[in-house]
Amino acid sequence: EPEVTQTPSHQVTQMGQEVILRCVPISNHLYFYWYRQILGQKVEFLVSFYNNEISEKSEIFDDQFSVERPDGSNFTLKIRSTKLEDSAMYFCASSREGRAGGYTFGSGTRLTVV
Amino acid sequence: RKEVEQDPGPFNVPEGATVAFNCTYSNSASQSFFWYRQDCRKEPKLLMSVYSSGNEDGRFTAQLNRASQYISLLIRDSKLSDSATYLCVVNTLLYSGGGADGLTFGKGTHLIIQP
Repeated sequence: EPEVTQTPSHQVTQMGQEVILRCVPISNHLYFYWYRQILGQKVEFLVSFYNNEISEKSEIFDDQFSVERPDGSNFTLKIRSTKLEDSAMYFCASSREGRAGGYTFGSGTRLTVV
Repeated sequence: RKEVEQDPGPFNVPEGATVAFNCTYSNSASQSFFWYRQDCRKEPKLLMSVYSSGNEDGRFTAQLNRASQYISLLIRDSKLSDSATYLCVVNTLLYSGGGADGLTFGKGTHLIIQP
């Protein structure tokens, strides 16, 4: 079964440092997403990406966040200057049908900011 | 604020029992509805989409009531492997078009199946 692949599985970084989280969506999917889940809390939407541009972003996705699809396979989330409250599990997801279909999530990157 | 509300549980039920979860959503413009399951410290996995006419997938039955903005999931003949957190999910529809809507997740209902 096709998978969404995320690397690294766990990243520890110092407050103020930049991190890049990487994702390889399923190859024939057209819609890409980043979500985060703070420990013990619900999954929260960050951003969606379609046709090489951001489609939607939540209020969480402020100027310290950016996304890129640098080539035909990778989809990255950059956090420019990490804060303690950015510590969370970050999930990448992709979908072939957008809102009409379910999403496939990657196994996540656990980001710990110290 | 667009929210999805679920009873957090936990629901402790014996193996073989039938269990039902409910969920309400606040955004009347939502168009897509799903149930996901999430195991501890794992990613959400799509269990089933929810259609207006109701739909069934094996032991799982989902219902949608658009008028009441209410979604339900019924699990029959529950198994130990059904133990997980069940997430009610609707599309966020921040904008009217595009199709690349984000999803709004409920906090989930924790289910524990006991032998």
